[in-house]
Amino acid sequence: ETGVTQSPTHLIKTRGQQVTLRCSSQSGHNTVSWYQQALGQGPQFIFQYYREEENGRGNFPPRFSGLQFPNYSSELNVNALELDDSALYLCASSFDRANTEAFFGQGTRLTVV
Amino acid sequence: EDKVVQSPLSLVVHEGDTVTLNCSYEVTNFRSLLWYKQEKKAPTFLFMLTSSGIEKKSGRLSSILDKKELFSILNITATQTGDSAIYLCAVPDQTGANNLFFGTGTRLTVIP
Repeated sequence: ETGVTQSPTHLIKTRGQQVTLRCSSQSGHNTVSWYQQALGQGPQFIFQYYREEENGRGNFPPRFSGLQFPNYSSELNVNALELDDSALYLCASSFDRANTEAFFGQGTRLTVV
Repeated sequence: EDKVVQSPLSLVVHEGDTVTLNCSYEVTNFRSLLWYKQEKKAPTFLFMLTSSGIEKKSGRLSSILDKKELFSILNITATQTGDSAIYLCAVPDQTGANNLFFGTGTRLTVIP
């Protein structure tokens, strides 16, 4: 048990819809990173939030956006869902921006139909 | 471009066997390499190797880092069915994006 919690655990959406995924970071951690893991692949970095500001972004389109709140919890929003967005979305928290010993939540399995 | 390559992609062994998983990397300004075990969803942290800590051991698991040859190995001795999982290797990006570069993982299946 890492102390990083994500909700919901599973979600089914229709193409074109919007989705919001949530993550509560481990106590003492001020950095949250989001990853997308497609079947059979390693996690791919979406973006990182540090003290409520985006602090790095991977190769994902602008329809992937996020927020971090004063308590360091975070949201991932995806607009105009596409079938290829179907994946496991993982949130990782760490006590520094360098991801030293990043701890992952259980993930949200998103299925777009 | 930074990258992490793991091999083999999958491995099937019998209980009691010893396995070696490989991870090679090419990153700018290497600082550390992390190993994770992913059973169902959440990758769980196993080890972090750095220039000052090139060898780690925890029970039946051990890992070493070869900074000269740019690779790491994860060894599991006396494997058990509970070791069945995907093992991921990751290296923190040092170019400013602050992400972890992951390999595709090695899927280990331990048969009773």
